[in-house]
Amino acid sequence: GENVEQHPSTLSVQEGDSAVIKCTYSDSASNYFPWYKQELGKGPQLIIDIRSNVGEKKDQRIAVTLNKTAKHFSLHITETQPEDSAVYFCAASINNRLAFGKGNQVVVIP
Amino acid sequence: DGGITQSPKYLFRKEGQNVTLSCEQNLNHDAMYWYRQDPGQGLRLIYYSQIVNDFQKGDIAEGYSVSREKKESFPLTVTSAQKNPTAFYLCASSTPGGYNYGYTFGSGTRLTVV
Repeated sequence: GENVEQHPSTLSVQEGDSAVIKCTYSDSASNYFPWYKQELGKGPQLIIDIRSNVGEKKDQRIAVTLNKTAKHFSLHITETQPEDSAVYFCAASINNRLAFGKGNQVVVIP
Repeated sequence: DGGITQSPKYLFRKEGQNVTLSCEQNLNHDAMYWYRQDPGQGLRLIYYSQIVNDFQKGDIAEGYSVSREKKESFPLTVTSAQKNPTAFYLCASSTPGGYNYGYTFGSGTRLTVV
């Protein structure tokens, strides 16, 4: 079955609004949760990550929250801008590897 | 600048031919990985290597082969046994225990079978 699930698959937001992407994971032993941004024709780039001993982490307009009890974590993008349009992947450490979600297409409408 | 380089960016292959994708890193990372990306499928692991001269199959290794003769290099060969090779291929690297620190990805190679 899926180790990491990501919802929704596509998200459209008006410029200036907030975007939230949620991921769930299956392995309670997972303790590292990175988020990657992939622009068209490029490789994914790490934008933020969180470890299991922390509930929230912020970096300017992006933040990640983690709920270990429910086994889910979310990416929050505030004041969205057109350059935020991309595919976002979540990942979780599982069995000494990173397991990736299927990705979420975020479209920021000017 | 340190980084991970994939070449070529675009590659065309005739059916029945083997083709090799290059991946080189100067980050001094021990671990390297190959992923295949198809629309709606996310990132699927083909092969990974945690140290020179050692590598393991990932989730979709059939029809692919790799070698790890140097720390900096992890080439992927797409063989004629791979029935549907058209895809975007991503190489990544990490320090040991990269599952706790994240991976660095290359910019990808788009392979098309003609």
